[in-house]
Amino acid sequence: SQQGEEDPQALSIQEGENATMNCSYKTSINNLQWYRQNSGRGLVHLILIRSNEREKHSGRLRVTLDTSKKSSSLLITASRAADTASYFCASGNDMRFGAGTRLTVKP
Amino acid sequence: NAGVMQNPRHLVRRRGQEARLRCSPMKGHSHVYWYRQLPEEGLKFMVYLQKENIIDESGMPKERFSAEFPKEGPSILRIQQVVRGDSAAYFCASSPNLPASFSGANVLTFGAGSRLTVL
Repeated sequence: SQQGEEDPQALSIQEGENATMNCSYKTSINNLQWYRQNSGRGLVHLILIRSNEREKHSGRLRVTLDTSKKSSSLLITASRAADTASYFCASGNDMRFGAGTRLTVKP
Repeated sequence: NAGVMQNPRHLVRRRGQEARLRCSPMKGHSHVYWYRQLPEEGLKFMVYLQKENIIDESGMPKERFSAEFPKEGPSILRIQQVVRGDSAAYFCASSPNLPASFSGANVLTFGAGSRLTVL
């Protein structure tokens, strides 16, 4: 299984601060994806990074990928209360998810 | 484009009854995934299907659970003789048709989920 594992399990920050969460995986991959889940809803695809990319940006999101360490990070800059959600990574095309990082942004 | 449609959104069953959850993938998608989520936990992969084929059912419990994705109609996750531990949110996701040689990313579109409560 190529299941990604996210950490930390939970993260609480103040609005305006940056939030960083990490994903580790075990086998070689050709891409890694991040998804968000608002409470009780289905996951929403956020961003995809390919194995030949080291960094990718989308609005306030910045994703990095270190294939030598088999890890990725998701940075949310200038966080907002609306960013409160759980965040999951999926490595390769296995489409198995870890337990996620539960982010709480306090207004 | 209505997205991935799941129904029912909420289902209540008594122990021993059967639960049937339906998932209509996005138009043009022929790959369907089912996941189960307990409160405050992550999504647990259950099964991956293509039209008329089960590709990976390694996450399915050995008994009482089955899934299908017929040539016509929605994918169905069936739980027989439900027990209280089956109470959870069940999510379906679909992805586009991909050629066998495709080595790119398999991006999923999720439905809103079906919440099963077993009394």
